[in-house]
Amino acid sequence: ELKVEQNPLFLSMQEGKNYTIYCNYSTTSDRLYWYRQDPGKSLESLFVLLSNGAVKQEGRLMASLDTKARLSTLHITAAVHDLSATYFCAVGSLTSNYQLIWGAGTKLIIKP
Amino acid sequence: GAGVSQSPSNKVTEKGKDVELRCDPISGHTALYWYRQRLGQGLEFLIYFQGNSAPDKSGLPSDRFSAERTGESVSTLTIQRTQQEDSAVYLCASSLDHRDGYTFGSGTRLTVV
Repeated sequence: ELKVEQNPLFLSMQEGKNYTIYCNYSTTSDRLYWYRQDPGKSLESLFVLLSNGAVKQEGRLMASLDTKARLSTLHITAAVHDLSATYFCAVGSLTSNYQLIWGAGTKLIIKP
Repeated sequence: GAGVSQSPSNKVTEKGKDVELRCDPISGHTALYWYRQRLGQGLEFLIYFQGNSAPDKSGLPSDRFSAERTGESVSTLTIQRTQQEDSAVYLCASSLDHRDGYTFGSGTRLTVV
């Protein structure tokens, strides 16, 4: 059974600092997604990672995927307050071509 | 439309009443998903529709929950005899190809009092 674990679940940091959110998963997968959710809002797609070694960057966020280690990271560079949100990773199940298994989310608070 | 549209955005209902939630996916998206998100929690899969194939209902928590979709258009999620534990945000998402990830609607916040 595929399980997805994110850590940390809560992170409070200062503007200008760098940090990394980790997403581990328990069985082989061929696709991983990162989403952002602002309070009271829906989920916004950030990154789609489909191959080992994939790296994608958008502004101050960079996501990578290591399928051998079953690990994805979401790195935040020089954080700004606007990046405060909850970040979810979701991993595709190989037993189902459409099912995504979701992490519990990382609530990120960036203090000015 | 340009995005996934859900209605109503908020619904307050009395315990024991039935509610119907609506999702209008992005035009051309063949796949449609319903998820439930309780306060401060992650996403809980409810049901998946793909074109005219039989839906995957494996996530529905009880027989009080049902969903329908006509072809590749609007879907409705119905909860009968609502209970307080049904209070949550119900999210709908659609996709063209599952590998592209999903586009989510803004959700329906259901409160059962």
